[in-house]
Amino acid sequence: GNSVTQMEGPVTLSEEAFLTINCTYTATGYPSLFWYVQYPGEGLQLLLKATKADDKGSNKGFEATYRKETTSFHLEKGSVQVSDSAVYFCALKQNNNDMRFGAGTRLTVKP
Amino acid sequence: DGGITQSPKYLFRKEGQNVTLSCEQNLNHDAMYWYRQDPGQGLRLIYYSQIVNDFQKGDIAEGYSVSREKKESFPLTVTSAQKNPTAFYLCATGGEVGNSPLHFGNGTRLTVT
Repeated sequence: GNSVTQMEGPVTLSEEAFLTINCTYTATGYPSLFWYVQYPGEGLQLLLKATKADDKGSNKGFEATYRKETTSFHLEKGSVQVSDSAVYFCALKQNNNDMRFGAGTRLTVKP
Repeated sequence: DGGITQSPKYLFRKEGQNVTLSCEQNLNHDAMYWYRQDPGQGLRLIYYSQIVNDFQKGDIAEGYSVSREKKESFPLTVTSAQKNPTAFYLCATGGEVGNSPLHFGNGTRLTVT
């Protein structure tokens, strides 16, 4: 079945460091791919998405490119801030009601 | 998400008691979902409903029940049959169109002792 694997955390970075959180997926066909962010005590918020191969999703300085050849959707940000500290989830959606999430990666950014 | 209200934010119950978690939405979405979140395990789907008066089991439905009598509401009951009910529960809506995302409420943290 469809699944998502993302790098284990926690990830700890200093402010202004470069961020990469790896995400790979297994699916038949052409799923849509998403990154969500969860701040402490809250629900998940959509960060960005990509719906077809080579699409790049971007938002708030974060970006991820849908790579079908490597079945990947890695999240990157050039310069992280303390306010980026959160848990990040990679997800895929194949059919209308089947969204699968990775286990989440906790990011802590230190001043 | 301001359009999805989960209440209460924190809930405490004794073992053996049923408890109902509320989820209300004003986004006019047909589809609604309940997920359970445990540390290090991501989100697991409990139940979902694509339309009023219809719902389907997700991956971990045992020990849970739902109803969908109104489009706006999708309450989840955690029954005494659920072996390990302490968790963070998230309600979501949307996703009806192929590439459309889900929208999440702020969750209810249930603690059963």
